[in-house]
Amino acid sequence: NAGVTQTPKFQVLKTGQSMTLQCAQDMNHEYMSWYRQDPGMGLRLIHYSVGAGITDQGEVPNGYNVSRSTTEDFPLRLLSAAPSQTSVYFCASSQGNRGPRNTEAFFGQGTRLTVV
Amino acid sequence: QQQVKQSPQSLIVQKGGISIINCAYENTAFDYFPWYQQFPGKGPALLIAIRPDVSEKKEGRFTISFNKSAKQFSLHIMDSQPGDSATYFCAASMETSNTGKLIFGQGTTLQVKP
Repeated sequence: NAGVTQTPKFQVLKTGQSMTLQCAQDMNHEYMSWYRQDPGMGLRLIHYSVGAGITDQGEVPNGYNVSRSTTEDFPLRLLSAAPSQTSVYFCASSQGNRGPRNTEAFFGQGTRLTVV
Repeated sequence: QQQVKQSPQSLIVQKGGISIINCAYENTAFDYFPWYQQFPGKGPALLIAIRPDVSEKKEGRFTISFNKSAKQFSLHIMDSQPGDSATYFCAASMETSNTGKLIFGQGTTLQVKP
């Protein structure tokens, strides 16, 4: 199993550009989330999903959109990139109500995004 | 508002020593407290977790101590090894919310010197 796969690994954007960070999981997990990691701030939740067709906002949702059309995929869209969105982005998935360990989160390798 | 506060920000320990990282939380509805370990260039991975019905959980050299009344929990790494050098995050969650949402602390960078 590949687990959680994120693409791309690195990206440089100009201010105002848009892009989509891809996330796919092959573990049939119900829950998926996006976090951003910044020095001294830990990981902060951007958006999350509890199943296909269901998404909700986390702590820092402004400037980001998500959708979940399938169980496997959970893309994160930056609408108009700003330098404040320079960060490392992690996608995570967990079993949800399909298993006893419903909160153990499995993370992808991350996408390092720089906005200039 | 930081719901989970972690300290210290960085820690240097000699090989064979004990590493201790502390976390405090505010929301008494949290019912699941994991610790994640992250190596450079990698995503975080679950190390050990505890629920509030026990005060301590041990897995090998790693132990979580939990104090429900003080709303604090800590990670102890016994006989610390250079391979333990990584960033450690505590987190908290409400499993009963059925969302999988995790609230993370700020992280601690641990360096174990040979």
